[in-house]
Amino acid sequence: EVQLLESGGGLVQPGGSLRLSCAASGFTFSSYSMSWVRQAPGKGLEWVSTISGGATSTYYADSVKGRFTVSRDNSRNTLYLQMNGLRAEDTAVYYCAKSPATTWAACDHWGQGSLVTVSS
Amino acid sequence: QSALTQPASVSGSPGQSITISCTGSNSDVGKYKLVSWYQQHPGKAPRVLIYDVNTRPSGVSNRFSGSKSGNTASLTISGLQAEDEADYYCSSYTLSATLVFGGGTRLTVL
Repeated sequence: EVQLLESGGGLVQPGGSLRLSCAASGFTFSSYSMSWVRQAPGKGLEWVSTISGGATSTYYADSVKGRFTVSRDNSRNTLYLQMNGLRAEDTAVYYCAKSPATTWAACDHWGQGSLVTVSS
Repeated sequence: QSALTQPASVSGSPGQSITISCTGSNSDVGKYKLVSWYQQHPGKAPRVLIYDVNTRPSGVSNRFSGSKSGNTASLTISGLQAEDEADYYCSSYTLSATLVFGGGTRLTVL
């Protein structure tokens, strides 16, 4: 059974940094692209970033490019999102998601999410 | 990248069929066969229903089907059930090598 468990969320001041982690199990982690998708309170889904299975390719939304960095440790089956220069508009539940084998442009399993609140 | 356009809400009675549209452009929906659909119940994580326009993952009911014509993709739910009441989101791969979501559609089962 695929399991994705996010951690690292919390309250941070504007301009601050936070690193989210996503521990994966139940599948061959290194074989699949992984993504971060966020959802602001009461709002819709927003794609944040994707990283390929071998970490050779990364993709970012314009809203986070230059501030957020996605990475993975395939030896630890863990996905990361380093968030710097946080802004109030980054407040959201951040979901970790796995892609199907055939495409990174979809998410076939999702974690339960980790809440990040940016506020002074 | 602008969000894909979905109706804010749709409704239907149990047993009926409904269709949710998702309109993009020739830089995303119209250019690639990489449209996905997700269902989200309140307080829960999203769940994939369809990817690659019309591929249904194992475990997803065949009451859910996807299609695409030009710049508009569609999700059809047949035999509407009470538990289908949820928010639905489409997404598409884009020319910029990014993903874009629709604003979401709230489905009410009357």
